[in-house]
Amino acid sequence: AQSVAQPEDQVNVAEGNPLTVKCTYSVSGNPYLFWYVQYPNRGLQFLLKYITGDNLVKGSYGFEAEFNKSQTSFHLKKPSALVSDSALYFCAVRDMEGAGNMLTFGGGTRLMVKP
Amino acid sequence: SAVISQKPSRDICQRGTSLTIQCQVDSQVTMMFWYRQQPGQSLTLIATANQGSEATYESGFVIDKFPISRPNLTFSTLTVSNMSPEDSSIYLCSVQGLATNTDTQYFGPGTRLTVL
Repeated sequence: AQSVAQPEDQVNVAEGNPLTVKCTYSVSGNPYLFWYVQYPNRGLQFLLKYITGDNLVKGSYGFEAEFNKSQTSFHLKKPSALVSDSALYFCAVRDMEGAGNMLTFGGGTRLMVKP
Repeated sequence: SAVISQKPSRDICQRGTSLTIQCQVDSQVTMMFWYRQQPGQSLTLIATANQGSEATYESGFVIDKFPISRPNLTFSTLTVSNMSPEDSSIYLCSVQGLATNTDTQYFGPGTRLTVL
């Protein structure tokens, strides 16, 4: 079975400060890892993914994430937060070797960036 | 990515009725999925919509309650049947298998359903 944990329901950060949204995962094989963002009354927008290769992945809107196999983590980061980054963020995992194309989502983390 | 549209964007329905949600994508895709997002919750996969065959349902979801069609590679429908207030959720379709990015699921804008 595959699972994702986002340990923080909410993260508060001041504008201009760095932000981190945490994600840990569990799969039996090798993972495909994704981050999505959901703005109010909108669907999910794809931010970035890790499939293979460099552990540091860069994505949309200045976001990046670091794959850490030993810690089974894929934390989302941004060097300087913007108020417009305030949204709901979801981490998701898919097992390369099993479960077909099923994507399992974490519970979501609400990011609040204050001016 | 692709342009994915859903109709309706929102609806308010009476208990016991049914609603059909449409999902249209502007290019052919290998896979289409339907998710439910209950208020304040994460996403739960309802089923995989298979072109030309019956959908594959996840545990806890059945065809009688959530019939799905996929007549071609760009279109799918989800029907929420005999609705109750517990069905009030956002329903999202997603697609995977774009020629430019085969590994990633992209999501439609969602349909916000309220059942009274």
